[in-house]
Amino acid sequence: AQSVAQPEDQVNVAEGNPLTVKCTYSVSGNPYLFWYVQYPNRGLQFLLKYITGDNLVKGSYGFEAEFNKSQTSFHLKKPSALVSDSALYFCAVRDLNTGGFKTIFGAGTRLFVKA
Amino acid sequence: DAGITQSPRYKITETGRQVTLMCHQTWSHSYMFWYRQDLGHGLRLIYYSAAADITDKGEVPDGYVVSRSKTENFPLTLESATRSQTSVYFCASSELEGSRNYGYTFGSGTRLTVV
Repeated sequence: AQSVAQPEDQVNVAEGNPLTVKCTYSVSGNPYLFWYVQYPNRGLQFLLKYITGDNLVKGSYGFEAEFNKSQTSFHLKKPSALVSDSALYFCAVRDLNTGGFKTIFGAGTRLFVKA
Repeated sequence: DAGITQSPRYKITETGRQVTLMCHQTWSHSYMFWYRQDLGHGLRLIYYSAAADITDKGEVPDGYVVSRSKTENFPLTLESATRSQTSVYFCASSELEGSRNYGYTFGSGTRLTVV
């Protein structure tokens, strides 16, 4: 079965420092991987995706993610964190066994960026 | 502004009552989904729909009913609400397979409290 894990409940980083939010996945075939962000009292917003191609994927708001097939990881990164990046981040994987449209979400990682 | 709209934003209901959460999208996306978000569980899929009149169960369907008579609407009904159904509910939609964008678009959520 497809699954995704976010090993950290919370990540704390100082403004201006680089940030990493970790994600590992388990899929039976080629992974379709996503990152979403949720701000307070809002729905999830799509940040970026990996379908195929370059292992470094660039997304919205200066975020990027690195796909590592050997480590089955898809970590979210940003070179310089902003206080406004504080939010809940979800890693997700498409379930290809059901025609590809069911998405499985991780439990989420709360990012706190301190000024 | 086109998008995906959920109503109501907040709802308090009593145990045993029937309640319906509404979801409306303006993009004519084929796929629609209902998730619930709970602390410690992340997002869990309740039901999804591939097209009008086609629905299927997700991970946690018990106690819920859905319908999709029109492409743009995907209401979720709690037949007899229980306290364990207190949660934040998110509706999402997605384009057809083959589109360049495989991500989901989420509504702003409905916070449901069952007392």
